[in-house]
Amino acid sequence: GALVYQYPRRTICKSGTSMRMECQAVGFQATSVAWYRQSPQKTFELIALSTVNSAIKYEQNFTQEKFPISHPNLSFSSMTVLNAYLEDRGLYLCGARWTGGLETLYFGSGTRLTVL
Amino acid sequence: GDSVTQTEGPVTLSEGTSLTVNCSYETKQYPTLFWYVQYPGEGPQLLFKVPKANEKGSNRGFEATYNKEATSFHLQKASVQESDSAVYYCALTHVNTGNYKYVFGAGTRLKVIA
Repeated sequence: GALVYQYPRRTICKSGTSMRMECQAVGFQATSVAWYRQSPQKTFELIALSTVNSAIKYEQNFTQEKFPISHPNLSFSSMTVLNAYLEDRGLYLCGARWTGGLETLYFGSGTRLTVL
Repeated sequence: GDSVTQTEGPVTLSEGTSLTVNCSYETKQYPTLFWYVQYPGEGPQLLFKVPKANEKGSNRGFEATYNKEATSFHLQKASVQESDSAVYYCALTHVNTGNYKYVFGAGTRLKVIA
């Protein structure tokens, strides 16, 4: 079946530093990857939608300069949180969609970011 | 823009009782509707999806009907179990536009007590 793995599961970084998180699709080709941030205050916030062979689309309030994303092939995507601050805390979820799965988004378990 | 509104939680029920979680959506286009469930420490899992109006989706005893006229997609279960305790999210996307942007509701936390 379609599986999505995210790592690390948890990470702690100091304020002003950066951290990278990864997303691996297993058993299917992730033609589109959506990165979300989940926090108690704002539930699901879409950061960006990345589709292979297309430009990455960032949502309002999220920029490539702050959240650079790489989607080099159909099984892998990564996102970096640059200069992390307290407001960047939360669970970062990777949702992958594959052509054969039509509109269904399959999620990983997320990377929980704590900023000190 | 698109939006999804669902029952504000938490919802606490006794085992064996019935569940209804309301979900209403707003969109100018024709969406596919989803229910996802998220257990502690895990990512959201697809419960089921319904791409067509007036059709019903179901899984694990949960069901919801895509009501285009009422723009609703209420989740129901006749008899909940303790293992159903989780957060439930209603969501929509638009397949035909090729955008594949997914909009989620705020989630409804369900706690089922024995």
